[in-house]
Amino acid sequence: NAGVMQNPRHLVRRRGQEARLRCSPMKGHSHVYWYRQLPEEGLKFMVYLQKENIIDESGMPKERFSAEFPKEGPSILRIQQVVRGDSAAYFCASSPPEGLDEKLFFGSGTQLSVL
Amino acid sequence: QQQVKQSPQSLIVQKGGISIINCAYENTAFDYFPWYQQFPGKGPALLIAIRPDVSEKKEGRFTISFNKSAKQFSLHIMDSQPGDSATYFCAASRNNFNKFYFGSGTKLNVKP
Repeated sequence: NAGVMQNPRHLVRRRGQEARLRCSPMKGHSHVYWYRQLPEEGLKFMVYLQKENIIDESGMPKERFSAEFPKEGPSILRIQQVVRGDSAAYFCASSPPEGLDEKLFFGSGTQLSVL
Repeated sequence: QQQVKQSPQSLIVQKGGISIINCAYENTAFDYFPWYQQFPGKGPALLIAIRPDVSEKKEGRFTISFNKSAKQFSLHIMDSQPGDSATYFCAASRNNFNKFYFGSGTKLNVKP
């Protein structure tokens, strides 16, 4: 049973470009979360999704950031017109359907570097 | 606003010693308190977790102590080993853990 898969592991973008980060949850998991980690800081919640639904996006910046979890395929975190301040590690996590377990499983993250 | 405050920022312990990391929270609605371990280049991995209806939980060398009235909880690592060297994060959540609030992390270095 593969864990949470994120790709790419490293992503380099120039200012103004778009960044697309992908996350495939663990098999059987229907809840996906995105967190951002700045250097020497803890993880900050961004968004919580279920299939085809955004449940909580209270941690997402209002502009340039969007997330989706389509019926088929991985969850995507999209950052448009990236700026240097977007440089961070972005972690995806997944959990089983509500009530089955209380564990959050994290992927290895995508390190975004904006030049 | 930092919902969960963690200390110390870094910690050096000799092999065989006890590592203690502390966290404090403000929101009394939090009902789930996990600790995560993160190695460089990896995602955080759940280590141990506690709910506020108990004051202590032990799993192997790892123990969480929870003080509901003080709104504090701590991680104790007994007989610390060099392989325990990692960054540790406390976290808190409410209502089925949909959103976690993480502490800022403690970098633990266990000297051989």
